[in-house]
Amino acid sequence: QIQLMESGRGVVQPGGSLRLSCTASGFPFTTYGIHWVRQAPGKGLEWLSFIRFDRSNEYYADSVQGRFTISRDNSKKMVYLQMNRLRAEDTAVYYCAEDANWALHFWGQGAQVTVSS
Amino acid sequence: QTVVTQEPSLSVSPGGTVTLTCGLTFGSVSTKYSPSWYQQTPGQAPRTLIYTTNTRSSGVPDRFSGSILGNKAALTITGAQADDESDYYCVLYMGDGVWVFGGGTKLTVL
Repeated sequence: QIQLMESGRGVVQPGGSLRLSCTASGFPFTTYGIHWVRQAPGKGLEWLSFIRFDRSNEYYADSVQGRFTISRDNSKKMVYLQMNRLRAEDTAVYYCAEDANWALHFWGQGAQVTVSS
Repeated sequence: QTVVTQEPSLSVSPGGTVTLTCGLTFGSVSTKYSPSWYQQTPGQAPRTLIYTTNTRSSGVPDRFSGSILGNKAALTITGAQADDESDYYCVLYMGDGVWVFGGGTKLTVL
């Protein structure tokens, strides 16, 4: 079955960096785009970034533009989210999700990122 | 800045019908925004219910339906059940590779 799983969770100091990974299985990974979405404690979902299946384009929300970078390695069926210059407000559960028909279909279980000194 | 609006909270009686809406602070929602809907219970990942306005995701009961009502996207739950008590989010595709979530609706079944 289709599965996505995030890894790389952790605690990082303000101003620090962290890279999340999303491992996919059960679907033709090289033909689907992947999103990253986060949810701060007690808050709603926030779309962060999207990468097309062929890496031809990457897109970002204003809140993370210039600090976060999405990338993918189709040979490994993995997508990454490199997060730099982290702030306390970046503390959240981060989800990856498969894109189809301009919607987020299958979701991972999420990875907790805590930014704290 | 575009904001996607949802009712913060709604309630429905068991067996009743409730409609959640998804609008824009500026403008109308149409099918071109490919509205989709997600259900989330505390501590769990979101589950996709509806995509491209009105297509149910695999395994979603037919008591969930999507539509455009007036100038908003809508999610209607017909014959609500206790386990429909969840947070519901819509997301709109704004074009140019950008999606925006609504703030979510907390649905209570009582």
